[in-house]
Amino acid sequence: GEDVEQSLFLSVREGDSSVINCTYTDSSSTYLYWYKQEPGAGLQLLTYIFSNMDMKQDQRLTVLLNKKDKHLSLRIADTQTGDSAIYFCASGSSNTGKLIFGQGTTLQVKP
Amino acid sequence: ETGVTQTPRHLVMGMTNKKSLKCEQHLGHNAMYWYKQSAKKPLELMFVYNFKEQTENNSVPSRFSPECPNSSHLFLHLHTLQPEDSALYLCASSQAAGGREGGYTFGSGTRLTVV
Repeated sequence: GEDVEQSLFLSVREGDSSVINCTYTDSSSTYLYWYKQEPGAGLQLLTYIFSNMDMKQDQRLTVLLNKKDKHLSLRIADTQTGDSAIYFCASGSSNTGKLIFGQGTTLQVKP
Repeated sequence: ETGVTQTPRHLVMGMTNKKSLKCEQHLGHNAMYWYKQSAKKPLELMFVYNFKEQTENNSVPSRFSPECPNSSHLFLHLHTLQPEDSALYLCASSQAAGGREGGYTFGSGTRLTVV
């Protein structure tokens, strides 16, 4: 079946940039998403990118998409302690009508 | 608030109890989902409903019984659970069965502990 892979853990210092990477296998993915999950909470949609775009910027967040390599990244500029959370990548296929989630990357921000 | 409300937030139940989890969405979405999130495990999709009809059941044990009376409400009825069923249960909704611009909108989850 289709799959989404992420590294499990990333640790950065406050003020640095964080880059979280994701790879996916579904060639029919129409939208790619980034979700954030804080402790004890559900998943919150952070941003998404349409598959015919290669970059999207939203304040401190930059999403890069390499469709040829099926690689997605999320860059958080000036990372703050409040950014500490689990970040999930997901691919959405208009063919299957499903979102496939990665296993999540835990971002630890040290003061 | 995301527009998807789950109750209760926390639930402790014995293995012989019967309880229900409730999810309600105020977004006008047509599809609703149940996910299980265990410690150190990826999100597990349990059930999918489209326009009140179940379209996916990912080999979930029969001790979990979903119910979708209308497009705005989703229940998960629980009976004779096992300790390994302790997890965060997340409800989500979407405009259609996924893969679209809005993605899924999640509730805050119900933290279930089976004792």
